[in-house]
Amino acid sequence: ETGVTQSPTHLIKTRGQQVTLRCSSQSGHNTVSWYQQALGQGPQFIFQYYREEENGRGNFPPRFSGLQFPNYSSELNVNALELDDSALYLCASSSNSGGNTDTQYFGPGTRLTVL
Amino acid sequence: EDQVTQSPEALRLQEGESSSLNCSYTVSGLRGLFWYRQDPGKGPEFLFTLYSAGEEKEKERLKATLTKKESFLHITAPKPEDSATYLCAVPYGQNFVFGPGTRLSVLP
Repeated sequence: ETGVTQSPTHLIKTRGQQVTLRCSSQSGHNTVSWYQQALGQGPQFIFQYYREEENGRGNFPPRFSGLQFPNYSSELNVNALELDDSALYLCASSSNSGGNTDTQYFGPGTRLTVL
Repeated sequence: EDQVTQSPEALRLQEGESSSLNCSYTVSGLRGLFWYRQDPGKGPEFLFTLYSAGEEKEKERLKATLTKKESFLHITAPKPEDSATYLCAVPYGQNFVFGPGTRLSVLP
């Protein structure tokens, strides 16, 4: 069974640029959630995708956008990067099977540095 | 919005010195409480899910318990490899609300 994978592992951008982060979900999972984790804090929810549509969004501006593809992989796009966007970006997949809340399994993360 | 707090913020233990971490939450209609372990610069690793008050789960030196307002992660005879940040999370809508974590250091 393949776990959640993310690419790239590290990324350095300058303020105002755009970035795309990628995530492949664990086999058998149809839901992908994205989180931002600043140093020393817990992950903060950005949004979730289910069946290729956004299925919930946290308190993040519209310059954070995403996609989910038919194979359930996903992208996170951030436009007009700001210094405060520097963080570890985490992707988590789950199976959305109904009933009790499904466990989210996390990838290794992408470390984004904005200069 | 649901709130999740964790204490202590950081904990240093000697190898073999047992202790407990706390996760307190305010939520209407708990749909599960999740514990994760996170090593520096890596993604959280799933440990346990608890769904109802009184439930307990164990894995090696770790045991998680749940009451109506809080959860405890008990660490028995910890080893240096147990050093990590331990996160708890509760579902809120489509997402998980995470606590800030407890940084555990186990010294040999």
